[in-house]
Amino acid sequence: SQTIHQWPATLVQPVGSPLSLECTVEGTSNPNLYWYRQAAGRGLQLLFYSVGIGQISSEVPQNLSASRPQDRQFILSSKKLLLSDSGFYLCAWRGGQPNTEAFFGQGTRLTVV
Amino acid sequence: AQKITQTQPGMFVQEKEAVTLDCTYDTSDPSYGLFWYKQPSSGEMIFLIYQGSYDQQNATEGRYSLNFQKARKSANLVISASQLGDSAMYFCAAFFSGGYNKLIFGAGTRLAVHP
Repeated sequence: SQTIHQWPATLVQPVGSPLSLECTVEGTSNPNLYWYRQAAGRGLQLLFYSVGIGQISSEVPQNLSASRPQDRQFILSSKKLLLSDSGFYLCAWRGGQPNTEAFFGQGTRLTVV
Repeated sequence: AQKITQTQPGMFVQEKEAVTLDCTYDTSDPSYGLFWYKQPSSGEMIFLIYQGSYDQQNATEGRYSLNFQKARKSANLVISASQLGDSAMYFCAAFFSGGYNKLIFGAGTRLAVHP
């Protein structure tokens, strides 16, 4: 069966520090991968999605970046965090067929202080 | 731009009654897919139901059904016989044929089920 791992679950980082959140998927190949951010009590904002290794689509211009070094690995990064980067970050994967749902990781709650 | 709109920030319903959560979308694409997710306070995202734009019948999954009105571009979620455990945030999501890989979400509706 397919599983998705996202870590860490909680992270407190000072302003200006770097960030690296990792997401890996098991039990499937060539998944579509997604990074979303959710502000408290708000909806999910699509940050990046990827349809294959090295293929990244950016939805929101900001100081975050994403990379997909391997088929089932998706990394969200920042060189210098801002206070506004605080939020709940969710990684998700989805199969190649249009009618397939997305499966989400447990999320990372990031607080920038 | 393609977007999903959920106009109800919060809803409440009495236990065992039915409730409808609204979702409208804006697209000129003929092919798209619509999803509903539930997010309890734990933060996990739980898939509930899917409706394709070419599906002839409204989708149903247990107590969940989707009232799909294509001409009105609406895809409302109906929860029948509400339970206390249904209290959560509910999100409508969609992809559009211009890029079915791109899955976008609405702002969500917080549902509270009262005993």
